[in-house]
Amino acid sequence: EAQVTQNPRYLITVTGKKLTVTCSQNMNHEYMSWYRQDPGLGLRQIYYSMNVEVTDKGDVPEGYKVSRKEKRNFPLILESPSPNQTSLYFCASSATSRGYNEQFFGPGTRLTVL
Amino acid sequence: SQQGEEDPQALSIQEGENATMNCSYKTSINNLQWYRQNSGRGLVHLILIRSNEREKHSGRLRVTLDTSKKSSSLLITASRAADTASYFCATVLNYGGSQGNLIFGKGTKLSVKP
Repeated sequence: EAQVTQNPRYLITVTGKKLTVTCSQNMNHEYMSWYRQDPGLGLRQIYYSMNVEVTDKGDVPEGYKVSRKEKRNFPLILESPSPNQTSLYFCASSATSRGYNEQFFGPGTRLTVL
Repeated sequence: SQQGEEDPQALSIQEGENATMNCSYKTSINNLQWYRQNSGRGLVHLILIRSNEREKHSGRLRVTLDTSKKSSSLLITASRAADTASYFCATVLNYGGSQGNLIFGKGTKLSVKP
């Protein structure tokens, strides 16, 4: 089944403790992206990747890192999480570089930073 | 950089009625996409309409695009309780730093009562 998976789905952590949210797609998509969703603010893009070893900042990249060493994986790294990073995070992928086609979304990761 | 703005923010209708949601945007686009999100879950792609298209249909969904007014509408006919969800429009720009990336509006929350 074609899908985007994220792990973990739920995470409660404390300020400053490094964490990684994994994202994997099995559709051989070139484009992958991370979003965060906050009440009243909608979805905002954090980082995106047009292909292996090609990543770029979205609208709200501060406090986040990403890497794209393999085509299928695009982990989101929070080196030193803070409470303002409490949010619902989504990974997405698309067949072509950039978003000129539909994007497929993962189920989301609900992160709480205490 | 919020591009699309949905209207209304919330809509409550009875099963069997039609639901219309509108989206306005500010700058030239490559395409506009509509997504549905059930409470707290991942987004599901509904329709993509390109800038040279005026109308598209998919089952009970009808999307129109008016590039002169920079607006789009999503019509759901004969709504069902299962259509209860948030609906987001997302634009893909043709130029600038966000070229090719999805920029989401804040969504319309649709409630369909049985």
